[in-house]
Amino acid sequence: NAGVTQTPKFRVLKTGQSMTLLCAQDMNHEYMYWYRQDPGMGLRLIHYSVGEGTTAKGEVPDGYNVSRLKKQNFLLGLESAAPSQTSVYFCASSFSRTGSSYEQYFGPGTRLTVT
Amino acid sequence: AQSVTQLDSHVSVSEGTPVLLRCNYSSSYSPSLFWYVQHPNKGLQLLLKYTSAATLVKGINGFEAEFKKSETSFHLTKPSAHMSDAAEYFCVVLAAAGNKLTFGGGTRVLVKP
Repeated sequence: NAGVTQTPKFRVLKTGQSMTLLCAQDMNHEYMYWYRQDPGMGLRLIHYSVGEGTTAKGEVPDGYNVSRLKKQNFLLGLESAAPSQTSVYFCASSFSRTGSSYEQYFGPGTRLTVT
Repeated sequence: AQSVTQLDSHVSVSEGTPVLLRCNYSSSYSPSLFWYVQHPNKGLQLLLKYTSAATLVKGINGFEAEFKKSETSFHLTKPSAHMSDAAEYFCVVLAAAGNKLTFGGGTRVLVKP
């Protein structure tokens, strides 16, 4: 199993450009998440999905859109990039249930710089 | 709502000495708590988790954490630090709705030879 993969690994954008980050998981997980990581702030949830065709806002959703057309893929879009969106983006996935078996599995991250 | 506070942003230890990373949480219900580790330029890896079973939780690489409800704490310890433990550590609480995780700000560990 590849686990959670992210494409691309690095990207530089100019202000106002758009792009899409792709997250894929091969563990048949129901839940998927997008986080951003900024120094001293841990990871903050941008959007998440509880199943194919569903999405919901997280803690910091402004300026981002997401889609979950297939269970294994979760896309994060930036329609008009801003320097404040310079960050490292992590995708994660998990089973829907909680309890002792619960765990989120993380991808390797995408480092995005907006100039 | 839940929140997590990691009391130290940086911790420096000598190789072979104990490591203590402090974490306090607030939650309106019985929480699930986790510690994740992130090595430089890598993703996050789960070290251990507490999900209302034993209050002393053992994880990978010799780490353990103790859940103390009266103190709302979940401190992470290791008896003897290794150079490979140099990384950033995150204390995390799980929200019941939507399986959402709330992260602490992170503690960066430096291990000196």
